[in-house]
Amino acid sequence: DSGVTQTPKHLITATGQRVTLRCSPRSGDLSVYWYQQSLDQGLQFLIQYYNGEERAKGNILERFSAQQFPDLHSELNLSSLELGDSALYFCASSGPAGRDSPLHFGNGTRLTVT
Amino acid sequence: SQQGEEDPQALSIQEGENATMNCSYKTSINNLQWYRQNSGRGLVHLILIRSNEREKHSGRLRVTLDTSKKSSSLLITASRAADTASYFCATDRNYGQNFVFGPGTRLSVLP
Repeated sequence: DSGVTQTPKHLITATGQRVTLRCSPRSGDLSVYWYQQSLDQGLQFLIQYYNGEERAKGNILERFSAQQFPDLHSELNLSSLELGDSALYFCASSGPAGRDSPLHFGNGTRLTVT
Repeated sequence: SQQGEEDPQALSIQEGENATMNCSYKTSINNLQWYRQNSGRGLVHLILIRSNEREKHSGRLRVTLDTSKKSSSLLITASRAADTASYFCATDRNYGQNFVFGPGTRLSVLP
């Protein structure tokens, strides 16, 4: 068990809808990362937060947004969903050693857009 | 473009054999990490090697890093069926905070 909790595990929704994915990092970890994994794109970095502040941005679409709350949990909001957004979405957290800290991944949210 | 590229894309071996996977990257790094992913599950951290290290061991795992060639290798010795998984390298760029993953190597260990 990595200590990172993601909810829900599965999500099925229709095109055009909006969903929110939730992540609770490992106790004590200040950094939260979001990744998207699909068969054709591999594991794509979306965004990173550190102690509530956005730290780095990757290939995140404008339809997607995220935030990290004071209690350090994070949410990824996906709107105007398209079929191509179907993927596994992972949250990861890392500890105080900064860039030398390994990432601890949750088990992901499998999003299916129909 | 991908920072890390694993090679081969897929590898099939018999139980007890050694498995070697390679990773190449493009820019300078602070460290390189290897992760394992069982089908449909989250990635699990295996080992981290810093840019000033050349080799690191953890149990049956041996990782090497050649910064002059911008490449790393992961060796799993005496493989077991339970080692069947996808293996990813991830690089931490010197100038960035995010970790970039390669497309992975799918390892199948046949009993």
